[in-house]
Amino acid sequence: SQQGEEDPQALSIQEGENATMNCSYKTSINNLQWYRQNSGRGLVHLILIRSNEREKHSGRLRVTLDTSKKSSSLLITASRAADTASYFCATDGTGANNLFFGTGTRLTVIP
Amino acid sequence: DVKVTQSSRYLVKRTGEKVFLECVQDMDHENMFWYRQDPGLGLRLIYFSYDVKMKEKGDIPEGYSVSREKKERFSLILESASTNQTSMYLCASSLTQGGYGYTFGSGTRLTVV
Repeated sequence: SQQGEEDPQALSIQEGENATMNCSYKTSINNLQWYRQNSGRGLVHLILIRSNEREKHSGRLRVTLDTSKKSSSLLITASRAADTASYFCATDGTGANNLFFGTGTRLTVIP
Repeated sequence: DVKVTQSSRYLVKRTGEKVFLECVQDMDHENMFWYRQDPGLGLRLIYFSYDVKMKEKGDIPEGYSVSREKKERFSLILESASTNQTSMYLCASSLTQGGYGYTFGSGTRLTVV
């Protein structure tokens, strides 16, 4: 399976702290994406990083990609209670027309 | 605001019923997808479509079929619902060219009793 795997499965931090989530995948990719899912809702696209990029920022989000290790990390700085959600990485196999999602990291930010 | 709209947030159906889940997008996206999401298993692709009247099987197509008669609408059909199809169903759409994210609907939580 090309499915990515997030680590840790669950993470609990205090408001204001940084949260780091990791994703490992198995095959070559064109890009890797991160999504957020609030409880019982659909997924929301956060950020996309291409295979020739190493780091990307969007607001309080920082994503890194290491294609040699087939891994990515998502850093949320200065976390807020509203960041409480599940976070998924998704990869496209080169030539694939669809995304492969991991099982997610459940982030809880305690006010 | 661009949207993917799923017709129902919650559905309860009986075993053996034929179930239709509808999804409509207003972004003129070529690609549309149906996933199911189960605890511990993540999102698994059921079917996707890259054009009107075209469909491709995903990882778990058994027990499902799809229909795409118009570009904006992608329907998932459970031919004869079973209890193991109780799940959260998520529809998504995207542009054909790579490098863009998916837009998801809010999901339909289906319970088969």
